Amino acid sequence: KAGVTQTPRYLIKTRGQQVTLSCSPISGHRSVSWYQQTPGQGLQFLFEYFSETQRNKGNFPGRFSGRQFSNSRSEMNVSTLELGDSALYLCASSATSGGGSEQFFGPGTRLTVL
Amino acid sequence: QQQVKQSPQSLIVQKGGISIINCAYENTAFDYFPWYQQFPGKGPALLIAIRPDVSEKKEGRFTISFNKSAKQFSLHIMDSQPGDSATYFCAASWAGGFKTIFGAGTRLFVKA
Repeated sequence: KAGVTQTPRYLIKTRGQQVTLSCSPISGHRSVSWYQQTPGQGLQFLFEYFSETQRNKGNFPGRFSGRQFSNSRSEMNVSTLELGDSALYLCASSATSGGGSEQFFGPGTRLTVL
Repeated sequence: QQQVKQSPQSLIVQKGGISIINCAYENTAFDYFPWYQQFPGKGPALLIAIRPDVSEKKEGRFTISFNKSAKQFSLHIMDSQPGDSATYFCAASWAGGFKTIFGAGTRLFVKA
């Protein structure tokens, strides 16, 4: 079974630009969660999608948004990039929604904002 | 109340020694407690997980000890090896919570 894939692996953007990151979950998994990982804040939950519906959202500004498609692939978008958005963005897939179950992480997308 | 507090921040252990990482939580709704291992440049990988109906779970050299009354759980790595050098995260979630809360992480270095 193929693992979670994320594209692109690396991105360099400038302040004010927007960016879209993509995540393909493990085949058969319908839940996708997104996390931001930084040295100072650790792993912070962004949002979770299940069957194209956002089930929960973390404490991030509205510049961070996401969506999920009918094939369970998910994208997250960050608009009006700020220097503080530089981070590793991880997605995780799970067979079930709601928490309380195993999550499988992708390798992440390293975003650098200049 | 949804925080998971992890300690220590970093840990140096001799090869063959025992590595111990501790976590504490407050939300009694949590019902799934996984530990993740992360190597540089990689995403976290599930190492071992426990539910509150058991006090201990062992998989190879890795053991989770769980104390429900104290709301604490810990990871023990027996016979630590240099290949175990990585960052370890504890986490907690609950069915219906739709998110996982992670500890701050522990950087483990095993000296050869």
